[in-house]
Amino acid sequence: GAGVSQSPSNKVTEKGKDVELRCDPISGHTALYWYRQRLGQGLEFLIYFQGNSAPDKSGLPSDRFSAERTGESVSTLTIQRTQQEDSAVYLCASSLDRDPYGYTFGSGTRLTVV
Amino acid sequence: AQSVTQLDSHVSVSEGTPVLLRCNYSSSYSPSLFWYVQHPNKGLQLLLKYTSAATLVKGINGFEAEFKKSETSFHLTKPSAHMSDAAEYFCVVSDQGGSQGNLIFGKGTKLSVKP
Repeated sequence: GAGVSQSPSNKVTEKGKDVELRCDPISGHTALYWYRQRLGQGLEFLIYFQGNSAPDKSGLPSDRFSAERTGESVSTLTIQRTQQEDSAVYLCASSLDRDPYGYTFGSGTRLTVV
Repeated sequence: AQSVTQLDSHVSVSEGTPVLLRCNYSSSYSPSLFWYVQHPNKGLQLLLKYTSAATLVKGINGFEAEFKKSETSFHLTKPSAHMSDAAEYFCVVSDQGGSQGNLIFGKGTKLSVKP
């Protein structure tokens, strides 16, 4: 596609429920990244995919967070048993072969846990 | 480890006056540095990037940044602020040298522009 697409754009969920956030990267971009942006904060790195593998998961804050990527395309970030501190904007980016000069970001999913 | 520090969380200027957003970096490598802008309810947009080809980097919308190794700084400037410049600005460093790496973001500086 023309850009990185994320869905849903907004999600309100009750504490304790599971949520899935989706990212469609730019076609042909082998690298995909998830970041979290809490209110008034910079972006925190969560996980990086090269193809369908995740060589760097160092930013995932707990075992409630997981992500997968299939077909070297779509990625899903899953948060289980959501907590209020999970409320944030979750941003996805893709780039050609992990080139830091070529990131394209999606518009993000705003998650609110009530 | 690589990191960036944005020295001001909020900067307020009047329209037509200069803008200075400060950023200091820490890097074990020859750093890859960037400035991104985030307008309300919009995605992140790359303003400019330092590629070591020149210490003064020109970006979009009249912004520029100067890489100063001796001061470990990469401050963002614009000669004359416009109302449309009001946004959040992030200084960013790559966590590895060369053409690899995850982006490490500063906490952001919110720029307000008064008429």
